[in-house]
Amino acid sequence: DGGITQSPKYLFRKEGQNVTLSCEQNLNHDAMYWYRQDPGQGLRLIYYSQIVNDFQKGDIAEGYSVSREKKESFPLTVTSAQKNPTAFYLCASSLDRVDEQYFGPGTRLTVT
Amino acid sequence: AQKVTQAQTEISVVEKEDVTLDCVYETRDTTYYLFWYKQPPSGELVFLIRRNSFDEQNEISGRYSWNFQKSTSSFNFTITASQVVDSAVYFCALSDEIQGGSEKLVFGKGMKLTVNP
Repeated sequence: DGGITQSPKYLFRKEGQNVTLSCEQNLNHDAMYWYRQDPGQGLRLIYYSQIVNDFQKGDIAEGYSVSREKKESFPLTVTSAQKNPTAFYLCASSLDRVDEQYFGPGTRLTVT
Repeated sequence: AQKVTQAQTEISVVEKEDVTLDCVYETRDTTYYLFWYKQPPSGELVFLIRRNSFDEQNEISGRYSWNFQKSTSSFNFTITASQVVDSAVYFCALSDEIQGGSEKLVFGKGMKLTVNP
């Protein structure tokens, strides 16, 4: 089945540690996105990538980093510089720039 | 700047009632896209509809219908004869062209719908 997988579903880390969230898609989509969702808020764009080996900062990129070495994969690293990392993180992909985005199941990160 | 406003934060209805979710947007673009997504308790966003700014025809899909009115910058979503399975958070979103011709989505804050049996 085609889709987007994110792992793990729940992740716990101590403050000061970097953590990497996985996102894999087998939809053959060119574009991939990372969003952050906080309670009662909409989704905010962290990073996006339109093509392999290229990615751009979104609205709230500070304290995050990404890579896009393969079309299928777009991992997100939450660094210790991110002041409020506890949130629900959603990865998405789309075939083209104006197509609907398909979302993964999300990773809920808790940092204490 | 691009902005999406979902004024209602939470609505509770009884099964079989009709319910309308409001979405008002602001955009600087002449061509844009509007979307509705559903987020059930599992957390994954499910795509419901995409509407091009040039297409103002209303759309119906089963119990779902959408009313796009450019004159009032609104893209409202109606669920007819609601069911418990419709309970979710619903997001309205607007496309926003970013550098290099890419697009991102600007989301409203979402509206939590609870349908009680």
